[in-house]
Amino acid sequence: GAVVSQHPSWVICKSGTSVKIECRSLDFQATTMFWYRQFPKQSLMLMATSNEGSKATYEQGVEKDKFLINHASLTLSTLTVTSAHPEDSSFYICSGPEGKNTEAFFGQGTRLTVV
Amino acid sequence: GDSVTQMEGPVTLSEEAFLTINCTYTATGYPSLFWYVQYPGEGLQLLLKATKADDKGSNKGFEATYRKETTSFHLEKGSVQVSDSAVYFCALSDGAGTALIFGKGTTLSVSS
Repeated sequence: GAVVSQHPSWVICKSGTSVKIECRSLDFQATTMFWYRQFPKQSLMLMATSNEGSKATYEQGVEKDKFLINHASLTLSTLTVTSAHPEDSSFYICSGPEGKNTEAFFGQGTRLTVV
Repeated sequence: GDSVTQMEGPVTLSEEAFLTINCTYTATGYPSLFWYVQYPGEGLQLLLKATKADDKGSNKGFEATYRKETTSFHLEKGSVQVSDSAVYFCALSDGAGTALIFGKGTTLSVSS
């Protein structure tokens, strides 16, 4: 299947700082990428849809100004958690559909801990 | 809207036991159905999929059949191994390029 690379795999940051998470499609072009958040022992909740060359689409209840998404090219989408707080600590995962496939290919995930 | 419901865990089994994890869905159209597996500290890996009614997805000894009449996609394995211990997610997609909708996940723990 297609490969999605996500970095970093884990990060610890201080409250009030910003953290950038990168998601790259290595062997396909992704006009769309999805960002999910996973709370401990819970399912994946869609945060936003990243669209290459245009603004991201955010799900209801997700703060646009806190979770900045940029999709600058067909192979790179970034999620920046701004002014991070301990409640932002979570597992963030990106995914990209490939062409006409209906399944999604997931990055390895990023464990964010805000202290 | 569309949704996925899967059995609550955790499921605890002995090695070589039979596994069933139930999954049902609600959708207005004809979704594709998936099972993903997540090992500790890792992202999600596609385990198997089915794109239309009566399709059977299979991989690594796991199977699931797309049952339109019961709107189900139950995951089964005849003989589990310790290495199968993970969290299993049932998911659906309304079409290519759309975000997946996930169930809450079921934790499987297999002991030797």
